[in-house]
Amino acid sequence: EPEVTQTPSHQVTQMGQEVILRCVPISNHLYFYWYRQILGQKVEFLVSFYNNEISEKSEIFDDQFSVERPDGSNFTLKIRSTKLEDSAMYFCASSEEYLVATLGEKLFFGSGTQLSVL
Amino acid sequence: KNQVEQSPQSLIILEGKNCTLQCNYTVSPFSNLRWYKQDTGRGPVSLTIMTFSENTKSNGRYTATLDADTKQSSLHITASQLSDSASYICVVSPGTPEKDSSYKLIFGSGTRLLVRP
Repeated sequence: EPEVTQTPSHQVTQMGQEVILRCVPISNHLYFYWYRQILGQKVEFLVSFYNNEISEKSEIFDDQFSVERPDGSNFTLKIRSTKLEDSAMYFCASSEEYLVATLGEKLFFGSGTQLSVL
Repeated sequence: KNQVEQSPQSLIILEGKNCTLQCNYTVSPFSNLRWYKQDTGRGPVSLTIMTFSENTKSNGRYTATLDADTKQSSLHITASQLSDSASYICVVSPGTPEKDSSYKLIFGSGTRLLVRP
């Protein structure tokens, strides 16, 4: 089965540093998402992206965060100045069509990038 | 407030036994409900997706039920295997099927299932 791949699997950074998390969605998918999961907590929506622009974002996704699709395959999440509370597992996901309109559309998650901010 | 609550938090069963996991939600309006399996350190993997009009959906040994009136769902695992050990997460999509709605899937905290030999 096709996969969403994320790199790196683990990232350690100093507070205040910029990090870029990378994702390669499934090739024929058009909708891309970032979610995060703080240790022991629920998975939380960050942002969705379609047609080279943000479709929707959560309250978590403030000015420190940005997303980009720099080429035809990669989808990145940038955190400009990391904070301790940004430590979490970050999941990239993609879907072929609009996630809820088709009702049965599957959302495929990557294995995640574990970000540790020291 | 839109919430998804799951029970139990954790469950230990013997290999070969059946189990049922519960999900209650307060999301309204509601579009569809999904069950995911998440292995430790991995991303969630979709098991079932049900719209508000569906009562049951099966995927191999996994059977999900949905009661949209009481806002409850369950995931039944039959003849458990060691590889079933994982977290099982109930996820609800807000919105109505007639209207393009939010991508903001609402996740439950999950039930951690451990299957012992």
